[in-house]
Amino acid sequence: EAGVAQSPRYKIIEKRQSVAFWCNPISGHATLYWYQQILGQGPKLLIQFQNNGVVDDSQLPKDRFSAERLKGVDSTLKIQPAKLEDSAVYLCASTLHGELFFGEGSRLTVL
Amino acid sequence: DAKTTQPNSMESNEEEPVHLPCNHSTISGTDYIHWYRQLPSQGPEYVIHGLTSNVNNRMASLAIAEDRKSSTLILHRATLRDAAVYYCTANTGNQFYFGTGTSLTVIP
Repeated sequence: EAGVAQSPRYKIIEKRQSVAFWCNPISGHATLYWYQQILGQGPKLLIQFQNNGVVDDSQLPKDRFSAERLKGVDSTLKIQPAKLEDSAVYLCASTLHGELFFGEGSRLTVL
Repeated sequence: DAKTTQPNSMESNEEEPVHLPCNHSTISGTDYIHWYRQLPSQGPEYVIHGLTSNVNNRMASLAIAEDRKSSTLILHRATLRDAAVYYCTANTGNQFYFGTGTSLTVIP
């Protein structure tokens, strides 16, 4: 069974530029999550989707972050414009019956 | 969401048992307790979960206090590959919030 796929693995941009991350969850997993993990901290939930609807986006900085999950499968997380404090690993996870499966993450460095 | 509290770090000698504690005093009756671990440069991976009864699987055991305000992840024989950050999280309705976790060092 294929795992959660994320791309790109690494991205370096300058502040005020934009960036997009892509996630393909495990086939059949209805629930998809985006987490932000800053170095030395635990993952912080940004947004949770159930199929293509948003369940929880209370911690998503909506002035600069956006996410969508068209057709209830793949998802994209966008940051525009990026700030220095957005440097982090962005983790995508999915679940079917309660056990979370994570991708390897996309490491963002903002200069 | 229920807040979880874990020690920042722990050490264990190789091939000895490790008991990793977690406090979740605000947990509700329907929250499952999940444990995940994260190896360097990887995403977290599932370890074990439970509701009320103690649970065992090939990776670890989970001991849940009778009042459910705390739990302990037990690694029966620590190996060098078990060195990781371990997170406990209380899960309600597929919502998972992570704390800072416990960084486990295994000493050869």
